[in-house]
Amino acid sequence: NAGVTQTPKFQVLKTGQSMTLQCAQDMNHEYMSWYRQDPGMGLRLIHYSVGAGITDQGEVPNGYNVSRSTTEDFPLRLLSAAPSQTSVYFCASSYSPGSPTDTQYFGPGTRLTVL
Amino acid sequence: SQQGEEDPQALSIQEGENATMNCSYKTSINNLQWYRQNSGRGLVHLILIRSNEREKHSGRLRVTLDTSKKSSSLLITASRAADTASYFCATPGGNFNKFYFGSGTKLNVKP
Repeated sequence: NAGVTQTPKFQVLKTGQSMTLQCAQDMNHEYMSWYRQDPGMGLRLIHYSVGAGITDQGEVPNGYNVSRSTTEDFPLRLLSAAPSQTSVYFCASSYSPGSPTDTQYFGPGTRLTVL
Repeated sequence: SQQGEEDPQALSIQEGENATMNCSYKTSINNLQWYRQNSGRGLVHLILIRSNEREKHSGRLRVTLDTSKKSSSLLITASRAADTASYFCATPGGNFNKFYFGSGTKLNVKP
């Protein structure tokens, strides 16, 4: 199993450009989520999905879109990049988040810089 | 914010010593999880404690949970240089389908 994979590893954008961060998992997990991590801080939830076709907002959803057409993939789209979106982005997945024994598996991250 | 808070923010100890870090949270939970992040890497799950448990052990890790105080602690015994990392607690919120992370404790273990 590859686990959770993310592409690209690094990306530099100019203000106003759009791009899609890719996330895929091969563990047949229903739950997937996107976080951003800013220097010296914890992770903040951007969007999450509890299954194909179902997405919802997290703490910091503005400026980002998601869709979930398959169980495996959960892309994150930046509509018009801003310097405030410079961050490291992590994708995570889990089997059943409502379960008291469920844990999350994280991808290696995408380091994004917006100039 | 519904994030938890870890304390201390940074901790520096000698190899062989014990490291204790604390986490406080705000919402009702059904479990609390601890994760480790090595510099520049993704997070790795360490241990999960359910809300009806008070203490749990895994190797050199010991976690306690006090739901009345909405707090947890992670103890790493006999620390090693390889334990140098940031440690985060995470709690589920909403309908337990959102996870909230604390700001982390940065642990430095000196050889």
